[in-house]
Amino acid sequence: DTAVSQTPKYLVTQMGNDKSIKCEQNLGHDTMYWYKQDSKKFLKIMFSYNNKELIINETVPNRFSPKSPDKAHLNLHINSLELGDSAVYFCASSQMDSGNTIYFGEGSWLTVV
Amino acid sequence: SQQGEEDPQALSIQEGENATMNCSYKTSINNLQWYRQNSGRGLVHLILIRSNEREKHSGRLRVTLDTSKKSSSLLITASRAADTASYFCATGGSGGSNYKLTFGKGTLLTVNP
Repeated sequence: DTAVSQTPKYLVTQMGNDKSIKCEQNLGHDTMYWYKQDSKKFLKIMFSYNNKELIINETVPNRFSPKSPDKAHLNLHINSLELGDSAVYFCASSQMDSGNTIYFGEGSWLTVV
Repeated sequence: SQQGEEDPQALSIQEGENATMNCSYKTSINNLQWYRQNSGRGLVHLILIRSNEREKHSGRLRVTLDTSKKSSSLLITASRAADTASYFCATGGSGGSNYKLTFGKGTLLTVNP
C-alpha cells in the first residue's frame, strides 16, 4: 500500500484553468505538507497542516489554496493557472513526535501551456 | 531563503568507489536529514542526525555533522549503479520545528557500471 498517494501524477492544462491535486496518507500522521520542485530541482515548502490546521503558509500566491478535510487528506487547488506554475508538486506527511522523518508522495507533474 | 547547500552539484563515479557529498547551512538547527530522489520519483528519507550527534551510520551510509562549521557530509561506500539519484540535505529548525524542513538543491550522483 502506498503510504502517501497523490493524484493525478501528470497534468497538462491551459493557462487560466483551475485544477486540483489530491493527496492522502495512510500512515496516521498528524502533519501534512505541500512542496514545489522547480525545473532546477529546488524543493520549497508551500504549506504545512497539523491536525487540519494551517501551520505554514509560505510566500505562495493566493491562487493556491490548500484544503484539509481531515488529518489524512490535504488537497491543493490552484486557480487561474500561469505558465510559471509548471513544476512538480509533492505532498508529504510526518508525525511530529517521532523522529521528524517526512514521507513523500511520488509527485504530480503539472505543465501549464 | 534556502538553508542547505549541497556540494558538488554533480558527481560521477565508477561502481565500487565511494561517494562523498557535502552540505552547508546557515542558521542553527535541531537536526539534519538526507534524502534520496530517483529520477521521476518522490524523495525517500535516508538518515537523520541530531545536532548533538557527530556521526551516524546506516548500512553503506555514513553521515557526519559539524555544527561549529555548519556542515554535514554523506558518504556512500562501495557504490552501486542503483545509487544513481539526487541527494538532498534538509535542515530542521531549532526548537524541534519540523514544520519547515528546508531543502538544498541537491547533488546529482551518477554511478557508472
